[in-house]
Amino acid sequence: AQKVTQAQTEISVVEKEDVTLDCVYETRDTTYYLFWYKQPPSGELVFLIRRNSFDEQNEISGRYSWNFQKSTSSFNFTITASQVVDSAVYFCALRPLNKLIFGAGTRLAVHP
Amino acid sequence: NAGVTQTPKFQVLKTGQSMTLQCAQDMNHEYMSWYRQDPGMGLRLIHYSVGAGITDQGEVPNGYNVSRSTTEDFPLRLLSAAPSQTSVYFCASSRAFGLPPPEQYFGPGTRLTVT
Repeated sequence: AQKVTQAQTEISVVEKEDVTLDCVYETRDTTYYLFWYKQPPSGELVFLIRRNSFDEQNEISGRYSWNFQKSTSSFNFTITASQVVDSAVYFCALRPLNKLIFGAGTRLAVHP
Repeated sequence: NAGVTQTPKFQVLKTGQSMTLQCAQDMNHEYMSWYRQDPGMGLRLIHYSVGAGITDQGEVPNGYNVSRSTTEDFPLRLLSAAPSQTSVYFCASSRAFGLPPPEQYFGPGTRLTVT
């Protein structure tokens, strides 16, 4: 079965705290891709990152970083020094073949 | 370049009514898809299309029909609306799937309420 689990339903932090959003996936495919999307309060979906199953290097983009560990089937997302503008719902997704399978999302609230 | 557009933005239907949610993209993308977003369930794939004339079912296709007569348009039809179809609907498009898979572009969403 193909599945994405985001166990954290809601996270609340104070500005400047670091926060990690967890993503655990299940797939039997040897080649697959993982994604993170952000959905701000305005409702649109914003692509953040794509990662393939053969590349386990961590990636950093500004205050965002991603930790991919194939051994634990996890693709966690960390925001360093969070800001109020980071408040959103974040979705992790798995891509087998022609479909994107989304997790349920984690709602992040960053308070000033 | 408008990207992916969806109409209407909001819609209220009575149980049993039918309607069509419109989706159009101007990026010449081969792949288009419809998702519904429900609280606590993320986005679930309803139907998708890999090109004009080709459609296939996703995870939750029941109660919905699609067709793809042109590259640009991918309408979603609700045949007989039910309260369980109350949701936010997103249309997405991308270049044909390949490796690495291209980024999907999402429309702004249609919020549908069925009473």
